[in-house]
Amino acid sequence: DQQVKQNSPSLSVQEGRISILNCDYTNSMFDYFLWYKKYPAEGPTFLISISSIKDKNEDGRFTVFLNKSAKHLSLHIVPSQPGDSAVYFCAASPTGTASKLTFGTGTRLQVTL
Amino acid sequence: DTEVTQTPKHLVMGMTNKKSLKCEQHMGHRAMYWYKQKAKKPPELMFVYSYEKLSINESVPSRFSPECPNSSLLNLHLHALQPEDSALYLCASSQDGLPRDEQYFGPGTRLTVT
Repeated sequence: DQQVKQNSPSLSVQEGRISILNCDYTNSMFDYFLWYKKYPAEGPTFLISISSIKDKNEDGRFTVFLNKSAKHLSLHIVPSQPGDSAVYFCAASPTGTASKLTFGTGTRLQVTL
Repeated sequence: DTEVTQTPKHLVMGMTNKKSLKCEQHMGHRAMYWYKQKAKKPPELMFVYSYEKLSINESVPSRFSPECPNSSLLNLHLHALQPEDSALYLCASSQDGLPRDEQYFGPGTRLTVT
């Protein structure tokens, strides 16, 4: 039972264009969402997060949008750069006292020249 | 220093062996985590230690035994593993183990059980 889903296993975008990565979740108890980036042979690195009380959070080239009614979030990267090529995981954390992340299946982003 | 280190990077073990994975952080974090990641799958939480006490065990088989000797160190003791336990084992740490803490991950130990 995959509670966090990333339906696009891969995405290819030209340098300078916008990359949009999508994530859907099913568990209504999730109230905090994060995006992690992973390069080969490295652990995931935190990118950006959003609380369920917000619908948008921005950090430089990265913006995360949350649509609670649709149980959907997206990560926008603009402009995309070749160094952004990596696997992107969305993750969700439920209401509670402990950090208990559930990860999506990941989307491999390739930014081409 | 925002680094989480894991040793060894690679480990091959037989089903009757006993081995340990090690994880270390020097960020003063009080929560540490073990995740398992199979090929083309997301990381799956196994254990959480908060203030050196085991706070979450995600119904992990007893052939995996975690240990937190102090707040900087986390071990995962392995015994009588099965070939299906072959995976990337990731360690992470966070400030206090609260839901909104950012988790910092190590590079992982790639385990092969023969």
